[in-house]
Amino acid sequence: EPEVTQTPSHQVTQMGQEVILRCVPISNHLYFYWYRQILGQKVEFLVSFYNNEISEKSEIFDDQFSVERPDGSNFTLKIRSTKLEDSAMYFCASSVWPTPLGYTFGSGTRLTVV
Amino acid sequence: AQSVTQLGSHVSVSEGALVLLRCNYSSSVPPYLFWYVQYPNQGLQLLLKYTSAATLVKGINGFEAEFKKSETSFHLTKPSAHMSDAAEYFCAVSENTGTASKLTFGTGTRLQVTL
Repeated sequence: EPEVTQTPSHQVTQMGQEVILRCVPISNHLYFYWYRQILGQKVEFLVSFYNNEISEKSEIFDDQFSVERPDGSNFTLKIRSTKLEDSAMYFCASSVWPTPLGYTFGSGTRLTVV
Repeated sequence: AQSVTQLGSHVSVSEGALVLLRCNYSSSVPPYLFWYVQYPNQGLQLLLKYTSAATLVKGINGFEAEFKKSETSFHLTKPSAHMSDAAEYFCAVSENTGTASKLTFGTGTRLQVTL
């Protein structure tokens, strides 16, 4: 069964550093998403992406965050200057259709900011 | 705006007992509803989803959920709990707006299964 692949599985970074979280969506999927889950809390929507542009973003997704699909296969989330409160599990998802009915989630990247 | 309320952050049942995890939703349009399970240090696995085809939805691992519009509920049940069911369960709602629709998750219910 096709999978969404996220790398790395765990990343530790110093506060103020830039991080890039990588995702390889399923090859025929067109819609891409990032969610995050702070430890012990619920999963929260960050951003959706289609046709090389952001479709929707949450209030969490401020100017420190950016997404891109640099090469037609990867989908990345960049955090420009990490803060302690950015420590969380970040999940990528992709879908054929513009609906979560077809979502496939990746296994997540645990980001720890120290 | 859509939202989900999961009553009970922790539920404990004995092995073999009925599992009932509660979820109520709010949506301005007919919703899509989902239950996801998360095992420790793992990702999100879809248990089942409601798409308006049938009000009783059967999922993996013996779980099912019933959509009740009058009660705006989508409770998850399993007749007989197994130790391997111990995990965090998230209810989620989505509104199909024709664009890249997002999922809104509840706060989760941690299921503990005891001998």
